[in-house]
Amino acid sequence: QKEVEQDPGPLSVPEGAIVSLNCTYSNSAFQYFMWYRQYSRKGPELLMYTYSSGNKEDGRFTAQVDKSSKYISLFIRDSQPSDSATYLCAIWRAGNMLTFGGGTRLMVKP
Amino acid sequence: DTAVSQTPKYLVTQMGNDKSIKCEQNLGHDTMYWYKQDSKKFLKIMFSYNNKELIINETVPNRFSPKSPDKAHLNLHINSLELGDSAVYFCASSREYSAGGYEQYFGPGTRLTVT
Repeated sequence: QKEVEQDPGPLSVPEGAIVSLNCTYSNSAFQYFMWYRQYSRKGPELLMYTYSSGNKEDGRFTAQVDKSSKYISLFIRDSQPSDSATYLCAIWRAGNMLTFGGGTRLMVKP
Repeated sequence: DTAVSQTPKYLVTQMGNDKSIKCEQNLGHDTMYWYKQDSKKFLKIMFSYNNKELIINETVPNRFSPKSPDKAHLNLHINSLELGDSAVYFCASSREYSAGGYEQYFGPGTRLTVT
């Protein structure tokens, strides 16, 4: 079993839709939960991170962590064509490596 | 001003050749990483250096050898290239890994094709 599981998609939505991206993880020791965004032929860039359970909002993006069920979510409101990218969840704990999910490819159609 | 840069961006070579990829960061970070991203977009850590010291060495064939001449540079040398080495290789950096390893800055990637 992989440490982080993520549905590869692709997920295709119309412009303006609410997007929900999800990951599950297996090791409860992880402390930080990240979402990286990767545009085609570019390097990943950190979008948001959360520490412990709860929600964190940044503009149209909301990251949610439920440590009891080991579930990580990213919500995108009012999705735009410029949001079309691959979204990678990642988990981390101090002194260890960053572990990525396989990524979900999102396509937002005008 | 590019934060993490890699050269070359594209590398096409034949099986059996030896090649190097260079990485530089100007963020003042202490830790640098090499990742391999396969055709299915799965991003896997290969190596990590903290202040020029190797701290992570995943199960990578010993044909791959990282070198860190100083904490701003991390190069990757690959001997006897094989078809399965074809992938995109990303360099990344972060603050000291034990405290800030979750926030990594990635380079643009080097697309390696072995024929």
